[in-house]
Amino acid sequence: DAGITQSPRHKVTETGTPVTLRCHQTENHRYMYWYRQDPGHGLRLIHYSYGVKDTDKGEVSDGYSVSRSKTEDFLLTLESATSSQTSVYFCAISGGGTEYYEQYFGPGTRLTVT
Amino acid sequence: EDKVVQSPLSLVVHEGDTVTLNCSYEVTNFRSLLWYKQEKKAPTFLFMLTSSGIEKKSGRLSSILDKKELSSILNITATQTGDSAIYLCAVFPRRGRDDKIIFGKGTRLHILP
Repeated sequence: DAGITQSPRHKVTETGTPVTLRCHQTENHRYMYWYRQDPGHGLRLIHYSYGVKDTDKGEVSDGYSVSRSKTEDFLLTLESATSSQTSVYFCAISGGGTEYYEQYFGPGTRLTVT
Repeated sequence: EDKVVQSPLSLVVHEGDTVTLNCSYEVTNFRSLLWYKQEKKAPTFLFMLTSSGIEKKSGRLSSILDKKELSSILNITATQTGDSAIYLCAVFPRRGRDDKIIFGKGTRLHILP
């Protein structure tokens, strides 16, 4: 299994509070991604990173920010959580140094905003 | 706009049946297509396809890419209840800085005992 961990694994928070999810990898992969997965929508990309301090928006980035100060860590922040952000969040990594490479997923974080 | 479309969206079959899941794509500068299996947790990688006509096989699962038709199929023979899952297809459209993988919505497969 690829060395990806996410923390916390479960979180319940109240509307309006800030929340930070952490993704940590031990594979030294270049690319890191944050997805959310909701019934009927599949996996949707929130933000991704193509290197330290290099990030870009995905298709559902509103209300989220990210930071990557080290290769191994990619943080996702909900500045002011809303109920629509209740979801399962997956981190993924890719970029093993070859031309073709797979994308591996972390175990996920289930976030509930009440 | 780049997109990946999977069909059917859901499928129910009996144990022992063979199933074929479809994935079609429209992307700029195709690089690779990936299949994942997702049970009640994170997606797990199954296959990566880069060349047309070359079948990838793992046990009862196999997959092949058709670049001319911009599609791929995932076959599962002699299905078992443990094959029940969502199967995701994804495409890497280009390499380099803008390395965004595009996912289909998945096919939900349910195997009846």
